[in-house]
Amino acid sequence: AQSVTQPDIHITVSEGASLELRCNYSYGATPYLFWYVQSPGQGLQLLLKYFSGDTLVQGIKGFEAEFKRSQSSFNLRKPSVHWSDAAEYFCAVGLNDYKLSFGAGTTVTVRA
Amino acid sequence: GAVVSQHPSRVICKSGTSVKIECRSLDFQATTMFWYRQFPKQSLMLMATSNEGSKATYEQGVEKDKFLINHASLTLSTLTVTSAHPEDSSFYICSARDLTGYSNQPQHFGDGTRLSIL
Repeated sequence: AQSVTQPDIHITVSEGASLELRCNYSYGATPYLFWYVQSPGQGLQLLLKYFSGDTLVQGIKGFEAEFKRSQSSFNLRKPSVHWSDAAEYFCAVGLNDYKLSFGAGTTVTVRA
Repeated sequence: GAVVSQHPSRVICKSGTSVKIECRSLDFQATTMFWYRQFPKQSLMLMATSNEGSKATYEQGVEKDKFLINHASLTLSTLTVTSAHPEDSSFYICSARDLTGYSNQPQHFGDGTRLSIL
């Protein structure tokens, strides 16, 4: 069965510290991979995506993600978080670029 | 950049009422739109795929007669929750597939509609 797993429900990080959010997937083939961010009461904003090519993907707001085929993972990272990065983060996968399955999400809290 | 407008942003109504939610693509034509439902602290669940000029495709377990979808134009899809009950209370989000090639995003999300049924 196809699935997306975000093992961490909630992460608290200090402002200026690094952040890594985990995402693992189970698919029959290498899927399209996405990370989205959602602020409270709002829709989703695309941070970055991976379709093919370079496995280290740069996104907006200083985020990057690395696709590791051997681990079926697509972890999101940011070297230094800002208070405005506090939000809900969703990993999403799909066999195409639009019909997606979302992970359960990781809530990021940033402390001063 | 491409924008998807969703209206209303919040609605509170009595049980038994039917509620219509609109999803508009403001600066591009969207032949395909998607409707998601999100429960508190949970992920988005795809409810249906809305195709302009044809019937929507519903995901397994989603009641077609409960959640009516109409995609009558290339910029508008509507979701009507018929005879809403408290268990229908949720956050509903639409997205529009962008095939223009001008954006690096395959789909754009609306800001969602918070539906509360009393």
